Amino acid sequence: QSALTQPPSASGSPGQSVTISCTGTSGDIGGYNYVSWYQQQPGKVPKLMIYEVNSRPSGVSNRFSGSKSGNTASLTISGLQAEDEADYYCSSYAGSNNYVVFGGGTKLTVL
Amino acid sequence: QVQLQEPGPGLVKPSETLSLTCTVSSGSIKNYYWSWIRQPPGKGLEWIGYIYYSGNTNYNPSLKSRVTISVDTSRSQFSLKLSSVTAADTAVYYCVRDRGVWQYYFDYWAQGTLVTVSS
Repeated sequence: QSALTQPPSASGSPGQSVTISCTGTSGDIGGYNYVSWYQQQPGKVPKLMIYEVNSRPSGVSNRFSGSKSGNTASLTISGLQAEDEADYYCSSYAGSNNYVVFGGGTKLTVL
Repeated sequence: QVQLQEPGPGLVKPSETLSLTCTVSSGSIKNYYWSWIRQPPGKGLEWIGYIYYSGNTNYNPSLKSRVTISVDTSRSQFSLKLSSVTAADTAVYYCVRDRGVWQYYFDYWAQGTLVTVSS
């Protein structure tokens, strides 16, 4: 059982926007601004998409954005494209003992 | 562009020790944290532990009693040992660059190596 809770699936049509949630506690998401999101396309290595809640690494499309409210973080993908179909994992710093915890992943389907 | 390389797939017998080594190239191992993350087949990600280039370590509490991570800066390598493995340790193991303290995200990942625990 993962420390952070994500919906197992999400979907949207090309061009639409979709938001994936990630719920934790005050000991992780709610306590720190260190939420990250990773995209894992089928058979590939996870790729960093968002760090520190809403920062994008160089090269990541600005269609990807992150936010946080209380104990819940969100990843929004706008202008959905077929290539966005993947599993998405959230993670958060959870204090010095637990360090980083992950969500169980959300499978995004582009209809 | 930092590159991380792990060896090929492995098979480990139950109760034995899993050993993996990651080589860092096209970048320095110094001044960074380096983590191991695993992903059981069809499941999510789990952080195993990190090592700072100076040798400081931190392990996932659920694995702490079985995990040792070490670093060899002269070879630009860091290693994972996981003892007393069971079938539950079957997973793809990734070595990653960890941005560490005050950042807490993983920006470069190796291709991953599937380790199967089976007799």
